[in-house]
Amino acid sequence: EAGVAQSPRYKIIEKRQSVAFWCNPISGHATLYWYQQILGQGPKLLIQFQNNGVVDDSQLPKDRFSAERLKGVDSTLKIQPAKLEDSAVYLCASSLDPSRGAKLFGPGTRLTVL
Amino acid sequence: GIQVEQSPPDLILQEGANSTLRCNFSDSVNNLQWFHQNPWGQLINLFYIPSGTKQNGRLSATTVATERYSLLYISSSQTTDSGVYFCAVGDYKLSFGAGTTVTVRA
Repeated sequence: EAGVAQSPRYKIIEKRQSVAFWCNPISGHATLYWYQQILGQGPKLLIQFQNNGVVDDSQLPKDRFSAERLKGVDSTLKIQPAKLEDSAVYLCASSLDPSRGAKLFGPGTRLTVL
Repeated sequence: GIQVEQSPPDLILQEGANSTLRCNFSDSVNNLQWFHQNPWGQLINLFYIPSGTKQNGRLSATTVATERYSLLYISSSQTTDSGVYFCAVGDYKLSFGAGTTVTVRA
């Protein structure tokens, strides 16, 4: 079974530029999550999708971050414009059932904002 | 939100030693997972263990849901066990602890 795919793996941009990350979840997984992990901390949930609808985006900085999952499969997370404090690893995860069962994570995208 | 506390924050082991990592959480939950974060940053699922005991090779985990804690046991540690171990809990989404950084010395 193929795992969660993410691209790119690494990205370096300058502040005020825009960046987008892509995630393809495990086939058949209806629930998709984006997490942000700042160096030295545990991951923090940014947004949760159930199929193509948003379930929880309470911790998403909506003035600069946006995410979509138009066809209920793959998802894109965008930052516009980026700030220095956005430097982090962005992790995508998916699960078959959000109320039970393991959430499985992709390899992550490491973003550096200069 | 749910509070997740992991201890100890750092652990240094000699190869071959055994160790126990602890995770305390503030509310009853339906989901609990233990992860190992490898040097490249990927979170590897070790156990999905909302209750009970599971074993996988040299690793085992126990969750006592009624007392809101979980333990991860590493036996006969190897240098490849080094990394950060996270406990994550929740119902529909996971909240993570700050992690335990394990260093195994040859």
